Amino acid sequence: NAGVTQTPKFRVLKTGQSMTLLCAQDMNHEYMYWYRQDPGMGLRLIHYSVGEGTTAKGEVPDGYNVSRLKKQNFLLGLESAAPSQTSVYFCASSSRDSTQYFGPGTRLTVL
Amino acid sequence: AQSVAQPEDQVNVAEGNPLTVKCTYSVSGNPYLFWYVQYPNRGLQFLLKYITGDNLVKGSYGFEAEFNKSQTSFHLKKPSALVSDSALYFCAVRDTGGFKTIFGAGTRLFVKA
Repeated sequence: NAGVTQTPKFRVLKTGQSMTLLCAQDMNHEYMYWYRQDPGMGLRLIHYSVGEGTTAKGEVPDGYNVSRLKKQNFLLGLESAAPSQTSVYFCASSSRDSTQYFGPGTRLTVL
Repeated sequence: AQSVAQPEDQVNVAEGNPLTVKCTYSVSGNPYLFWYVQYPNRGLQFLLKYITGDNLVKGSYGFEAEFNKSQTSFHLKKPSALVSDSALYFCAVRDTGGFKTIFGAGTRLFVKA
C-alpha cells in the first residue's frame, strides 16, 4: 500500500515550457486535490476532483489544467510555465470523511 | 467564505513543557476542523480532526485539540513537548457539505532540549 505517490520529485523548467505532474493513489479515494505550497502562505488549492471524469477550480487555478481519466490518477498540467509557478506542489486524496492523505511533493523551479 | 487564521508564525517551547498552537476559523454552518503536521521535505500528515461530539479531540503522537464554538477556535495542545515535535503545523477547516478544505498559513514549532 503506497498511499499517494507523485512524479517527478524535482523538476527545473524554462519559462514557456510545459509539463505534467502525475499523482496516483491506491486507497480507492473518490476525492483528489492539487495544492501549491509557498513560504508564509500555507497550502492553496489549485484544482480538485470529486470523482473520475470530474474536475473543479480551487483558489488559484490560473495557468494550470487537470484531468482525472482514471479514479486513481490526477494529473496537473502547466501549459506555459512562468517563474510565478515556482513552488512545491502537493497532491492529496480523501474519502468522504474528508481526512486528506498527502503525497511527498514535487519541487518545481521555473527559470 | 471559510477562512483559517494561525496567529503565530513560530512557537518556541522547552522540552517537557506544555505546548499550544493556536487556530481560529470562520465557516458557515458546522465546521470540520483538522490539524496536520509537516516535517522537512515531506508531505503533510494527519494528526487529528473534529467533526462532531466531544469538544476535546485526541490524536496521534500525544496531541489533542479543543474545539470552542463560542470563540471559533481549535487550538492544538500537548502536555509535554518533545524535540521530535519540532515541525510545521497546519490548521484546516471545511464546511459541512463542501469539498474544499482551507489551510492556515502554518505555525513553526521549535522544541529546545
